Amino acid sequence: GDSVTQMEGPVTLSEEAFLTINCTYTATGYPSLFWYVQYPGEGLQLLLKATKADDKGSNKGFEATYRKETTSFHLEKGSVQVSDSAVYFCALTRSGNTPLVFGKGTRLSVIA
Amino acid sequence: DTGVSQNPRHKITKRGQNVTFRCDPISEHNRLYWYRQTLGQGPEFLTYFQNEAQLEKSRLLSDRFSAERPKGSFSTLEIQRTEQGDSAMYLCASSPEGIEQFFGPGTRLTVL
Repeated sequence: GDSVTQMEGPVTLSEEAFLTINCTYTATGYPSLFWYVQYPGEGLQLLLKATKADDKGSNKGFEATYRKETTSFHLEKGSVQVSDSAVYFCALTRSGNTPLVFGKGTRLSVIA
Repeated sequence: DTGVSQNPRHKITKRGQNVTFRCDPISEHNRLYWYRQTLGQGPEFLTYFQNEAQLEKSRLLSDRFSAERPKGSFSTLEIQRTEQGDSAMYLCASSPEGIEQFFGPGTRLTVL
């Protein structure tokens, strides 16, 4: 079945450091890929998405590129802030009629 | 647009009791999903509605779990004879036609 594997955390960075959170997937066909963020005490918020190979999703300084050849969708940000501290989930879906399949999440802590 | 709402936000119950959670999706979203999230894990799909029709329920964790969406608007998730292993965050998401899902804040269940 479909699955998502993301790097285990926690990840601790100093403010303004570069962030990479790795995500790889296994799925038949051409899934759509997502990054969701969960701030403490809140629900999941969509951070960015990509629906086809070589698409780049971006939002709030975060970027991820859909790499079909490596089945990856790594999340990057050039300069993290304390407010980026949260849990980040990589996810996929094969269509609008199928549920999201999530990775286990990566906790990011940014210290001033 | 007030987003997806879930009630209650927190529920503490004793083992063996029944509990019911409510989800109000974004208006005019015809798809509604339920997920369960345990500590340190990503959300796990439970069931899915398109309007009032429950299209997928094989992933409900046991026959103690049931869900309804009687008029194609709000939905309820019921757990009968709760067990300590049912302690988790229960998330609801809604979606218009398409792939993007919008999540509510979740209901945190603690079974004593």
